Amino acid sequence: GENVEQHPSTLSVQEGDSAVIKCTYSDSASNYFPWYKQELGKRPQLIIDIRSNVGEKKDQRIAVTLNKTAKHFSLHITETQPEDSAVYFCAAPDTGRRALTFGSGTRLQVQP
Amino acid sequence: EADIYQTPRYLVIGTGKKITLECSQTMGHDKMYWYQQDPGMELHLIHYSYGVNSTEKGDLSSESTVSRIRTEHFPLTLESARPSHTSQYLCANSAPGTEEYFGPGTRLTVL
Repeated sequence: GENVEQHPSTLSVQEGDSAVIKCTYSDSASNYFPWYKQELGKRPQLIIDIRSNVGEKKDQRIAVTLNKTAKHFSLHITETQPEDSAVYFCAAPDTGRRALTFGSGTRLQVQP
Repeated sequence: EADIYQTPRYLVIGTGKKITLECSQTMGHDKMYWYQQDPGMELHLIHYSYGVNSTEKGDLSSESTVSRIRTEHFPLTLESARPSHTSQYLCANSAPGTEEYFGPGTRLTVL
């Protein structure tokens, strides 16, 4: 099965700084890597995803990079704002059981 | 609007009671999932389904059961609730090769 490791578990940055969250995965057959944001008391919501045929994808202030050789992918948030404060989860598919395996989460705190 | 719905949103119940958490979708997706999550913590997969009449156990040992008689519904049942079951339960679905989409969750408290 898939094993996903996520670091750091907590991250505190000043407003306007950048934040980077890193994940590694074990299943070399994995080809889809979503990132979720979960605000306090709400459901996890997809914010960006990347497929294995590209190395980077951007959407305004967020970007995701993928290194298939090293089996790791990262979330980059630039110009952070207080509303970016949340728990972020990475995920990768367990190709055996056709379900996502989630990382353990990163609690991001953006200090105004 | 196509979405995924969970009822009840909040439930407080006594130890030993039987409860069923409802999950329904109007998105027509075959795959559905149940996760248990303490607030802001890891997502633990407890059950999933590939489609009608398909149910599988996830990673977290759970004293719950599920059924999938219809594509739209994926209820989760606890035969005898215990305080250790206090948590948030999230239902999700997905289309082939795409992300999992989560419902709003049921926050369960067992006294």
